[in-house]
Order: sequence, then C-alpha cells, then structure tokens
Amino acid sequence: AQKITQTQPGMFVQEKEAVTLDCTYDTSDQSYGLFWYKQPSSGEMIFLIYQGSYDEQNATEGRYSLNFQKARKSANLVISASQLGDSAMYFCAMRATPTGTASKLTFGTGTRLQVTL
Amino acid sequence: NAGVTQTPKFRVLKTGQSMTLLCAQDMNHEYMYWYRQDPGMGLRLIHYSVGEGTTAKGEVPDGYNVSRLKKQNFLLGLESAAPSQTSVYFCASSWTVYQPQHFGDGTRLSIL
Repeated sequence: AQKITQTQPGMFVQEKEAVTLDCTYDTSDQSYGLFWYKQPSSGEMIFLIYQGSYDEQNATEGRYSLNFQKARKSANLVISASQLGDSAMYFCAMRATPTGTASKLTFGTGTRLQVTL
Repeated sequence: NAGVTQTPKFRVLKTGQSMTLLCAQDMNHEYMYWYRQDPGMGLRLIHYSVGEGTTAKGEVPDGYNVSRLKKQNFLLGLESAAPSQTSVYFCASSWTVYQPQHFGDGTRLSIL
C-alpha cells in the first residue's frame, strides 16, 4: 500500500523568503510519480510540479522546485521568493505503478502555508 | 479555457434524497476520477474511469455509483444520501495514468 506523510500541518514564511514543505512517501513499487498540488482558499486544486521516480534531476517549475531524495523517500517542495498569493494548502500526492489499466493518486493530509509581510 | 467543469457547485440534501453530480472535461482526456475531500484527510478516490463506457471502484466507493456514457462526461450518483456523505467532491481527468490530473473546482455537498 502507498502512503504519503506531510508532518507540517501549518507553516509561516515571510514574503520574499524561501520555504520548504516536507513530504515523505512509502511504496514498494519501483516506478511511481510524485505530485504537488496547491489549494487556495477558493477551493480549486492546482497542479504545481511532478517528479518521476526514474528522473535523475530534480523537477523545477518557475519558483517551485522539488527536492527529490529517493533513498530517503522524500519529495519536498521548495518555493522560492514567497508571495502573498502563495498562501494556500499544499498537498503532496503519489501515483504508483498502474495496476491493470489505471492507477490512482494517494494524497497526504496537506500543509497550510501562510505568507506574511 | 474550461478544462474540468463540475455542476452544481453547492447543494444541500436531506437524508435519503438522491442526486447526480456532473463532471465535464473538454481536453479529450481518457481518464476521469471522482474524489472526496474531508477535513484532515486529504483526498480519497471514490470511483474512476479509464475510458468511455468503463468505470471502476476506488478507495471509498460505498454509497456511490458512476457512469461514463460519453468520453467527456463522468457522473457521480448518490442513490440515498447519508450525513456521512457530507463532503467536498472533486472531479479530475488526465491524458494517461502518468500525466498530472487536472481538477475541477469542486462541489460542496451537505446532507442534513
């Protein structure tokens, strides 16, 4: 069974500072994918970044980067130069090797990030 | 650019009533999913579909039914609503199992 653990229920960061949101995962599969989603107070789920288990380089998307440490089974999200609009709930999710013809995302419980002036 | 559209956005039901949530996507995605989000529990998969005419159970399928008669639409039905089904429901779609899932804005459902 797959499991995602996000140990930080809430985080504060000052505007323009960098922040790291932690995510650890547990799977016995060799092939898997890791995703981060942002959920603002308005409720929608916004895809941020993806890392495949065989990708050799850490994924980056603009101000978002994923610090992937396979041996530690961690996939931390780093947001550089935080902005007030980054205040939201952030979810880490994992897609394991498809079983049959489909797979599902397993989500963590989320980290609420608050960016302050 | 519509993406994934869910209707309705809000609904209040009485215990025992039935209703259908509609999800429509205009990206020609094969895969579609229904999740529920409860406080402190993240999202959990209810049912999913790998293509038109196919459906399969996820983690928490009890009390729900789904249908995918057209590729662009994925319907979630509650035959006899229960208070435990009070939640926020998200629909998502993706090109393949390996691609990111794109989510709708959610439906907030309250059952009294």
